[in-house]
Amino acid sequence: DGGITQSPKYLFRKEGQNVTLSCEQNLNHDAMYWYRQDPGQGLRLIYYSQIVNDFQKGDIAEGYSVSREKKESFPLTVTSAQKNPTAFYLCASSGTNYLAKNIQYFGAGTRLSVL
Amino acid sequence: GNSVTQMEGPVTLSEEAFLTINCTYTATGYPSLFWYVQYPGEGLQLLLKATKADDKGSNKGFEATYRKETTSFHLEKGSVQVSDSAVYFCALTLPWNRDDKIIFGKGTRLHILP
Repeated sequence: DGGITQSPKYLFRKEGQNVTLSCEQNLNHDAMYWYRQDPGQGLRLIYYSQIVNDFQKGDIAEGYSVSREKKESFPLTVTSAQKNPTAFYLCASSGTNYLAKNIQYFGAGTRLSVL
Repeated sequence: GNSVTQMEGPVTLSEEAFLTINCTYTATGYPSLFWYVQYPGEGLQLLLKATKADDKGSNKGFEATYRKETTSFHLEKGSVQVSDSAVYFCALTLPWNRDDKIIFGKGTRLHILP
């Protein structure tokens, strides 16, 4: 089945540690996105990538980093500079033809907590 | 700027009640409008969409009509079920933009009581 796979489902970070969240898609989509979801705040865009080897900062990129070396993969690293990382992280992707454009497909999310 | 405003929750209804979740938007030009649903512990799923004025999106008994004159896209369902309990997000995109970004509302949590 085509879809987006995020792993792990739950992740714990120690003080000063960098952690990486995985996002893989087999939908052949060009564009991929990372969102952060906090209770009562909706979704906030962290980073997005419209093509391999290129990505742009979203609204809350500070303390995060990404890479896009393959079309299928868009990992997110939460660095030690992110002082409040506890949240639910969602990855999404979208196609680029006119009919598919702007419809995003989401993974099941990773819940990150600080130890 | 471009934005989406939706009614704050939580909204609590009894099974078989009529549901309306209000959504209004601010955007330049002619956005595409969406409703996404998030079931507990999961990611978001597209529920329905409309791409031009007076279009009606529908799915799973839910409907929403793109009203340009009132800049609204209210979500309705005639008879809700316990399984409809979820968080609902109204969203818009600007198809002519290069960046493909979606602008989401803050979400409305819906509780349906048996």
